[in-house]
Amino acid sequence: EDQVTQSPEALRLQEGESSSLNCSYTVSGLRGLFWYRQDPGKGPEFLFTLYSAGEEKEKERLKATLTKKESFLHITAPKPEDSATYLCAVRVDSGTYKYIFGTGTRLKVLA
Amino acid sequence: EAQVTQNPRYLITVTGKKLTVTCSQNMNHEYMSWYRQDPGLGLRQIYYSMNVEVTDKGDVPEGYKVSRKEKRNFPLILESPSPNQTSLYFCASSFGQNEQFFGPGTRLTVL
Repeated sequence: EDQVTQSPEALRLQEGESSSLNCSYTVSGLRGLFWYRQDPGKGPEFLFTLYSAGEEKEKERLKATLTKKESFLHITAPKPEDSATYLCAVRVDSGTYKYIFGTGTRLKVLA
Repeated sequence: EAQVTQNPRYLITVTGKKLTVTCSQNMNHEYMSWYRQDPGLGLRQIYYSMNVEVTDKGDVPEGYKVSRKEKRNFPLILESPSPNQTSLYFCASSFGQNEQFFGPGTRLTVL
């Protein structure tokens, strides 16, 4: 069964304290791994797409990496405005538009 | 402004009273999808559409219907809502099978 697991469920960091969020997946055929940010009361907002093991993408303080079994979202020197829930999703099976989301990591960055 | 809109944003209804949640996008996207988001379960895909008149089931389609008669619109229909359909609903669209753009969400309560 296709599955996506994110850890930790919640994370509290001091401003400037770097850390990583994990997204592990077991799917029959990966057609893309996506990271989204979700602020309270809003819809998810796209961050990155990764397609193959070894791929990396960066945006400001965020860097996403991908292996054959998991993806990491590295947050370098976070600021309070980085506080949000970070969602990981995988697209499986090129013939469909099916997505499986993880349950997210709630990040709180303290000033 | 490129966006996905949903209406209504909030809805309280009673068991068995048919309702429709509308979704519209102005980006000429072929792909559209409906999700529900529940605490501890994350985002789960209800239905998706890969083009006009082409729809298919996601992971949790029971109790829901959709239609795609125009490219821009993808309404979600609950013929006979039940309390277990109380949830936060998101519509999303994408160009090709790339990143999804999400609407602002519809919070539904079924009494």
